[in-house]
Amino acid sequence: DGGITQSPKYLFRKEGQNVTLSCEQNLNHDAMYWYRQDPGQGLRLIYYSQIVNDFQKGDIAEGYSVSREKKESFPLTVTSAQKNPTAFYLCASSAPPRGGDEQFFGPGTRLTVL
Amino acid sequence: GEDVEQSLFLSVREGDSSVINCTYTDSSSTYLYWYKQEPGAGLQLLTYIFSNMDMKQDQRLTVLLNKKDKHLSLRIADTQTGDSAIYFCAEMGGKLIFGQGTELSVKP
Repeated sequence: DGGITQSPKYLFRKEGQNVTLSCEQNLNHDAMYWYRQDPGQGLRLIYYSQIVNDFQKGDIAEGYSVSREKKESFPLTVTSAQKNPTAFYLCASSAPPRGGDEQFFGPGTRLTVL
Repeated sequence: GEDVEQSLFLSVREGDSSVINCTYTDSSSTYLYWYKQEPGAGLQLLTYIFSNMDMKQDQRLTVLLNKKDKHLSLRIADTQTGDSAIYFCAEMGGKLIFGQGTELSVKP
């Protein structure tokens, strides 16, 4: 079945540690996105990639890094520079934006910093 | 700047209609979307409307768009307990901008 997978579902990290969240899709989509969700704030865009080997900062990129070496994969690293990393992280993908095309979302990873 | 606003909570009784409202600021938005998020899960697209339409109906869902007032609403007819979730509206201008989400609680 086609879809997006994120792993792990729950992740715990000690302060000062970097952690990488996985996102894989087999929908053959060119574009992939990372969002952060906090209660009462909706989704905020961290990074996005329209094509392999290219990515752009979103609205809240500070303290995060990404790579896009393969079309199927768009891992997100939460670095120790991110001041408040505890949140729910959602990965999404879409065909190149043509209007009306939906973004397909993964199930999310809940990161907790201890 | 771009902004999308929704009320945070809505509570209805099973069988009633639910109306979730949204306002947006980007008049160049081409598409407006409604997504549903069940607890602990990702977002699922419910429906979308092109900016030159006033209304779209899809089974129990009715979307109304007032482009002059930049107001979007989602009506769910005969609301069921399975409709309990967070509903996000989003606008597509240059990028997808989400509202804060409205948590719909359906009481039996």
